[in-house]
Amino acid sequence: DGGITQSPKYLFRKEGQNVTLSCEQNLNHDAMYWYRQDPGQGLRLIYYSQIVNDFQKGDIAEGYSVSREKKESFPLTVTSAQKNPTAFYLCASSTGTGASRNTIYFGEGSWLTVV
Amino acid sequence: AQKITQTQPGMFVQEKEAVTLDCTYDTSDQSYGLFWYKQPSSGEMIFLIYQGSYDEQNATEGRYSLNFQKARKSANLVISASQLGDSAMYFCAMRKDDFNKFYFGSGTKLNVKP
Repeated sequence: DGGITQSPKYLFRKEGQNVTLSCEQNLNHDAMYWYRQDPGQGLRLIYYSQIVNDFQKGDIAEGYSVSREKKESFPLTVTSAQKNPTAFYLCASSTGTGASRNTIYFGEGSWLTVV
Repeated sequence: AQKITQTQPGMFVQEKEAVTLDCTYDTSDQSYGLFWYKQPSSGEMIFLIYQGSYDEQNATEGRYSLNFQKARKSANLVISASQLGDSAMYFCAMRKDDFNKFYFGSGTKLNVKP
């Protein structure tokens, strides 16, 4: 079945460590996104990529980094510079045809906790 | 800048009754799309319904309908005959044409009472 796979589902990070969240999609979508969601809050855009080897900062990019070497993959690294990384992270993808009716599809999310 | 506003942090509805979740948006563009998503406690985001800015009729998908008032820039979600399984967070979102960025509101937590 087509979809977006995020791993791991749960991740614990020690202070000062970098961690990488994986996101893979087999929907043949051009655009991919990372969102952060704090408990009871909405989604905030971290980074997005409209095409391979290109990505743009979202609203809260500080302390995060991404790469887009393959169309299917858009990993997110939470660096030690991110002072409050405990949150729920959602990866998403969308077709890049430009028509607004093309919706965004989400993975099941990853819970990151700093210990 | 684009902005989505959901003014109801939480709502209660009796099972089998209808409920309206409010969403207003701010854009100077003429062509855009509006979406509603449901997020159960498991965290997954489920697409519910889409409305294009040029669509003349309000969108409907089963028990979900979108009350689109373009002049007022509102896109309210109506859920008819609420079910216990409708209890979740609901997010309104907007996407501009020819642009792959989605803007989300802060969400409304709906609780359906038996």
